[in-house]
Amino acid sequence: ETGVTQSPTHLIKTRGQQVTLRCSSQSGHNTVSWYQQALGQGPQFIFQYYREEENGRGNFPPRFSGLQFPNYSSELNVNALELDDSALYLCASSPTSGSSGANVLTFGAGSRLTVL
Amino acid sequence: LAKTTQPISMDSYEGQEVNITCSHNNIATNDYITWYQQFPSQGPRFIIQGYKTKVTNEVASLFIPADRKSSTLSLPRVSLSDTAVYYCLVGDLRGGSGGSNYKLTFGKGTLLTVNP
Repeated sequence: ETGVTQSPTHLIKTRGQQVTLRCSSQSGHNTVSWYQQALGQGPQFIFQYYREEENGRGNFPPRFSGLQFPNYSSELNVNALELDDSALYLCASSPTSGSSGANVLTFGAGSRLTVL
Repeated sequence: LAKTTQPISMDSYEGQEVNITCSHNNIATNDYITWYQQFPSQGPRFIIQGYKTKVTNEVASLFIPADRKSSTLSLPRVSLSDTAVYYCLVGDLRGGSGGSNYKLTFGKGTLLTVNP
């Protein structure tokens, strides 16, 4: 069983540029969530994708967008990068657990974005 | 969404038992309590999850009182490698459409430092 894999692991961009981060979900998982983790802070929820549609979003502006593909992999796109976008971006996948609130998010190792 | 409160940091020594308490006064009926461990520059790793009373697995125990307004993660006989940030997460983690529009709040977590 493969875990969650993310790419690239590290990247450097300049203000105003655009970035695309990629995530392959764990085998058997159909829901993908993205998180932003600034240095010294806990992960902050960006959005969740299920069946190729966004079905939950945190307090992030529209320049943060995403996609989910039929194989459940996902992309996070950030336009017009700002210095404060420098962070570790985490992808997490989970299965659909029906009516139970019990579920486990499996996280990838993250993509470290530095905006100069 | 239930807000959680945990100590910012804790210190311990190798071989000791460590208990980290999390307060979540506004926990909802469908919410589960989940603890994650995170090492620097890595994604959070699932430790344990519970709904009420006591749950035990090979690495930890989770104690939840009847009112569910708090929970305690117990790590038996910690080692240096247990030095990490521990997050208490409270929410309805249903994947798919069942958990739509939820916003998972990690908070800053508890930095546990295990000393020789």
